[in-house]
Amino acid sequence: DGGITQSPKYLFRKEGQNVTLSCEQNLNHDAMYWYRQDPGQGLRLIYYSQIVNDFQKGDIAEGYSVSREKKESFPLTVTSAQKNPTAFYLCASSIINNEQFFGPGTRLTVL
Amino acid sequence: KQEVTQIPAALSVPEGENLVLNCSFTDSAIYNLQWFRQDPGKGLTSLLLIQSSQREQTSGRLNASLDKSSGRSTLYIAASQPGDSATYLCAVINTGGFKTIFGAGTRLFVKA
Repeated sequence: DGGITQSPKYLFRKEGQNVTLSCEQNLNHDAMYWYRQDPGQGLRLIYYSQIVNDFQKGDIAEGYSVSREKKESFPLTVTSAQKNPTAFYLCASSIINNEQFFGPGTRLTVL
Repeated sequence: KQEVTQIPAALSVPEGENLVLNCSFTDSAIYNLQWFRQDPGKGLTSLLLIQSSQREQTSGRLNASLDKSSGRSTLYIAASQPGDSATYLCAVINTGGFKTIFGAGTRLFVKA
């Protein structure tokens, strides 16, 4: 069953804590993306990766970090430097510059 | 800088009506344009992808058109059903770029 999975579905973070969101795909896509969605707004790009061991900052990378050690996996860490992390986080993958496919999302809430 | 705008922000129609959702973009140098559907609290589902060399794409009751010169795309939904109720987003990838720019979406409600 091909697709993109994200975990956990819900995540709660305390002040000063780093948390990591998981994203895995079995579509054999080279490109992977992380987006943040806030109520009433479009998606904003956090980071993207076109190939293993390489990634680029998007429009709102401050306070976030990523890694791309495997083609299938692109985890996102929300660090304590991100002052307003409460949002819905979406991971996507694609053949480069082609149709993007999205995971089900992770809702992060700061306690 | 590319900007993507979707109007209206929200739309309510009776079941069975044909409707059009609009998407406009400021830079016509796009690689492709994609329409998505998002249900509350869920991820995005790809509906249609239009390459820059294409004028339209069709899938079932959905038809998307692209006019690069005017910076516009429309998503036409025929014979709307309550199950079509969702937020519809459009997104563009610029030529020579890699980043995808999203509109804020149109929230559609189809009344039974």
